Amino acid sequence: DIQMTQSPSSLSASVGDSVTITCQASQDITKYLNWYQQKPGKAPKLLIYDVSNLETGVPSRFSGSGSGTHFTFTISSLQPEDIATYYCQQYDNFPLTFGGGTKVEIK
Amino acid sequence: EVQLVESGGGLVQPGGSLRLSCAASGFTFSSFWMTWVRQAPGKGLEWVANIKQDGSEKYYVDSVKGRFTISRDNAKNSLLLQVNSLRAEDTAVYYCARDSTLLGYWGQGTLVTVSS
Repeated sequence: DIQMTQSPSSLSASVGDSVTITCQASQDITKYLNWYQQKPGKAPKLLIYDVSNLETGVPSRFSGSGSGTHFTFTISSLQPEDIATYYCQQYDNFPLTFGGGTKVEIK
Repeated sequence: EVQLVESGGGLVQPGGSLRLSCAASGFTFSSFWMTWVRQAPGKGLEWVANIKQDGSEKYYVDSVKGRFTISRDNAKNSLLLQVNSLRAEDTAVYYCARDSTLLGYWGQGTLVTVSS
């Protein structure tokens, strides 16, 4: 199984700050990497697919980049409504695997 | 509007069984792979199983093979997960999601608690 290592596991930043999360795959997954946002008590929501493509309706302050084994997710200007846990997910191979999550809080 | 509504969760003793359901609406159910993902309390997401449009292919995470069975009824727009021989570590919210790779739509989840 492909292991997805996400870091940090949590972070605290101020409104307006740029926030970056990294996701490392245990083997090359080319571009088969998605990012999800999960707010407390809610189901996950797909934000970015295939590394860098924004799902319809997702604000442009969210972005993704990377290839192969190293990927990043960025919120360019953190907003209060972005408080959530974010997960990366690979689909290069089954089983689908998720990163451990990054909990984003407001400082 | 795409809607996925799970049901069937509850409290069950170790070794027990449940049948989880996911009612789909707002899209052509028979055209999509469907997936179950679970989340233990306070933990991350774990893919559990998925099933092809016509039910001819099914895949499971190793930890549930031989205990869980995924199925679907395209006539009723329904996804099912039969969970048997439940263990404490199966305690989780179980979500159904549309598709097999890009999980763009999720239900609200149903909680399965395995405890004596």
